[in-house]
Amino acid sequence: EMVMTQSPATLSVSPGERATLSCRASQSVASNLAWYQQTPGQAPRLLIYGASTRATGIPARFSGSGSGTEFTLTVSSLQSEDFAVYYCQQYNTWPSFGQGTKVEIK
Amino acid sequence: EVQLVESGGNLVQPGGSLRLSCSASGFTFSNYAMHWVRQAPGKGLEYVSAINSNGGSTYYADSVKGRFTISRDNSKNTLYLQMSDLRPEDTAVFYCVKEPGSSNTIVPYYFDHWGQGTLVTVPS
Repeated sequence: EMVMTQSPATLSVSPGERATLSCRASQSVASNLAWYQQTPGQAPRLLIYGASTRATGIPARFSGSGSGTEFTLTVSSLQSEDFAVYYCQQYNTWPSFGQGTKVEIK
Repeated sequence: EVQLVESGGNLVQPGGSLRLSCSASGFTFSNYAMHWVRQAPGKGLEYVSAINSNGGSTYYADSVKGRFTISRDNSKNTLYLQMSDLRPEDTAVFYCVKEPGSSNTIVPYYFDHWGQGTLVTVPS
């Protein structure tokens, strides 16, 4: 079973600052990694796929990097609407998700 | 515009059954494999099941195998999840999700569109 581990569990950031979120896979997933954003009461929204490709309509302040087992999602300058929970998902094998990182206002 | 609208969630006693539906629009439903993902209250996301575009191939997570059945009716643009022998640990919001690739096979993929979800509650 492919286990995805996200860190930190909670990230406190001031608006306008950079946020860096990590995701680690228990085995290599190549670049088959997606990131989602979920705000309270809403369904997840696709941000990034292929580890680094932004989905349609996603602002350029969101960027993804990494391959193999180590991945990073960076939000360059946090806006008020970016405070949310972020999940990584591998699709190199049957999909599995990380436990999420909550980005909260500092 | 792609729309996925789930329905059928309810309170059901342990051991009971329930059928979820997902009505799809805004894309050629019969061309896409479809999936179910669930989220327990306050918890993370769990992949549940997949079905290929013509309904001939399915996949289930171990946690639901033998209890849940995924199906689809392409003439009605509708995806289903028949759930039986429900347990308290099945309590979750169930999301109908679409993958971006148009294919008759089911392969691991990411998900570009999600429904708003439907809540299934199985009390302990």
